[in-house]
Amino acid sequence: EAQVTQNPRYLITVTGKKLTVTCSQNMNHEYMSWYRQDPGLGLRQIYYSMNVEVTDKGDVPEGYKVSRKEKRNFPLILESPSPNQTSLYFCASASGSSYNEQFFGPGTRLTVL
Amino acid sequence: KQEVTQIPAALSVPEGENLVLNCSFTDSAIYNLQWFRQDPGKGLTSLLLIQSSQREQTSGRLNASLDKSSGRSTLYIAASQPGDSATYLCAVRRSGAGSYQLTFGKGTKLSVIP
Repeated sequence: EAQVTQNPRYLITVTGKKLTVTCSQNMNHEYMSWYRQDPGLGLRQIYYSMNVEVTDKGDVPEGYKVSRKEKRNFPLILESPSPNQTSLYFCASASGSSYNEQFFGPGTRLTVL
Repeated sequence: KQEVTQIPAALSVPEGENLVLNCSFTDSAIYNLQWFRQDPGKGLTSLLLIQSSQREQTSGRLNASLDKSSGRSTLYIAASQPGDSATYLCAVRRSGAGSYQLTFGKGTKLSVIP
């Protein structure tokens, strides 16, 4: 089944404790992206990657890191999480074809205490 | 900067009614527009994708239209069912090579009453 998977789905952590949220897609998509969703603010892009070893900032990159060492994986790293990073996070992917329909993972609900 | 607005923020209709959800965007230089459905606490499910050169797309009871010049899209749902209850999001992708970023509206929360 074609899908985008994220792990963990739920995470409660404390300020300053480094964490990684994994994202993997099995559709051989070139493009991958991370969004966060907050009440009243909607979905905002954090980082995106056009292909392996190519990443760039979205609208709200502060406090986050990403890497794209393999085509299928695009982990989101929070080196020193803070409470304002409490949010619902989504990973998305899209092919490089002309249609570029974007597919989203199930989301990771992160709480930073 | 692209801004996407969805009105109304919430909508409640009796089962069986046809309904229209609205999406407007400020910059008409878009590559495509995508409609998503989000169930509470869940991810986004892609419903329809309309390329900038297209006027509409249909899937089952759903029909999405696009008027790029006026910056508007509508999602028409025919014969609504309680299972259609969810938040509907529209997102536009700006035109230009290498730009895959989606700008989202805040969504319309639909409740279909049995």
